[in-house]
Amino acid sequence: EAAVTQSPRSKVAVTGGKVTLSCHQTNNHDYMYWYRQDTGHGLRLIHYSYVADSTEKGDIPDGYKASRPSQENFSLILELASLSQTAVYFCASRDTANTEVFFGKGTRLTVV
Amino acid sequence: QQQVRQSPQSLTVWEGETAILNCSYEDSTFNYFPWYQQFPGEGPALLISISSVSDKKEDGRFTIFFNKREKKLSLHITDSQPGDSATYFCAASAGNNNRIFFGDGTQLVVKP
Repeated sequence: EAAVTQSPRSKVAVTGGKVTLSCHQTNNHDYMYWYRQDTGHGLRLIHYSYVADSTEKGDIPDGYKASRPSQENFSLILELASLSQTAVYFCASRDTANTEVFFGKGTRLTVV
Repeated sequence: QQQVRQSPQSLTVWEGETAILNCSYEDSTFNYFPWYQQFPGEGPALLISISSVSDKKEDGRFTIFFNKREKKLSLHITDSQPGDSATYFCAASAGNNNRIFFGDGTQLVVKP
């Protein structure tokens, strides 16, 4: 079974501070994704990547940056955290040849 | 414009009843429709999926009915169990496209 590990699992950040959420997958998947989940809004795509050293914007990229330094690792960076970025963030991965998406357990981010 | 829509937003059924979760989509190029199940504190996990060449997919108590002409599908959970209480996401993609679009989810509660 595909393993996607997120860290930290929860974090409290100060408004205006920098936040980095990390994701690691161990199954050689090409695609990696960052989603944001808010109550009543389902899963919204922030950034994704299909190869190391390359990232693509999703539907809600404003205020977020992404980094894919290797096939296994994909980070989400909030340079200036804002209250509106309080949410649960999910990392996910997918193999090119398989349409199933594997999700991590999520990171609960609270910006105060 | 939201690509995938789900209804109802929440649903409560009694143990043993059939729960029916609905989904519709906009893009006629979508040909792969997975349903993901999410328990509190966990990431979504693939439950069952269907491709557009089929009109029905069954896996135990879970059945997807697909109507390509109307661009609608539904997930039927027969003999619902309290352990089925979760949020269910309908999703859609166009084959091996980079993107998979999620609905906002249906929160199912099964009362014993």
